[in-house]
Amino acid sequence: QSVLTQPPSVSAAPGQKVTISCSGSSSNIGNNYVSWYQQLPGTAPKLLIYDNNKRPSGIPDRFSGSKSGTSATLGITGLQTGDEADYYCGTWDASLSSGRVFGGGTKLTVL
Amino acid sequence: EVQLVQSGAEVKKPGTTVKISCKVSGSTFTDYYMHWVQQAPGKGLEWMGLVHPEDTETIYAEKFQGRVTITADTSTDTAYMELSSLRSEDTAFYYCATSRSIVGATDAFDIWGQGTTVTVFS
Repeated sequence: QSVLTQPPSVSAAPGQKVTISCSGSSSNIGNNYVSWYQQLPGTAPKLLIYDNNKRPSGIPDRFSGSKSGTSATLGITGLQTGDEADYYCGTWDASLSSGRVFGGGTKLTVL
Repeated sequence: EVQLVQSGAEVKKPGTTVKISCKVSGSTFTDYYMHWVQQAPGKGLEWMGLVHPEDTETIYAEKFQGRVTITADTSTDTAYMELSSLRSEDTAFYYCATSRSIVGATDAFDIWGQGTTVTVFS
């Protein structure tokens, strides 16, 4: 059971928009920055969004992040077949067992 | 360009210890925090712990406390993750990753290694 809750899967057609939610609590998302990672099949994860809504160099502006209270959202517009991947949210958790935590991951299918 | 290159695949027997390396190139090793992340087959990402090469500070996830040791060698710009008392559930990919801080702005894992597969098999 992951500390952060993500939907197991989402799907949409090419060219459409999709959002992936990440729900936590005041000990993690509520008081810390959220980052998002994309893991293409058979590859290492890659940073997509950091500090809630910032994109590293080279990440297209089709990818966006937002945070409100104890939840965060990853948005992807203009879906492409190459976006099919697993997506993970992550943050710091300041509870008794402090450390970095991830969501369980969301499988994106581009129909 | 910062790159993290990990050591190769390992096959281990239950009860033994594995040590994986992660060499940093293209930047100053001591500028980063080095993390290790476990990913079991078909499962999600699980943070194991970190080391700060500049002062060797370590923080370990509760789940792995007592079995994991993360170190850094500044003479070779290499981080290591040692996992002991291996069991079948430790069969997984292990990734190293860097961050600029532990918590707060720039605490995201911005660069990842290619991953090292560890198989625990009797």
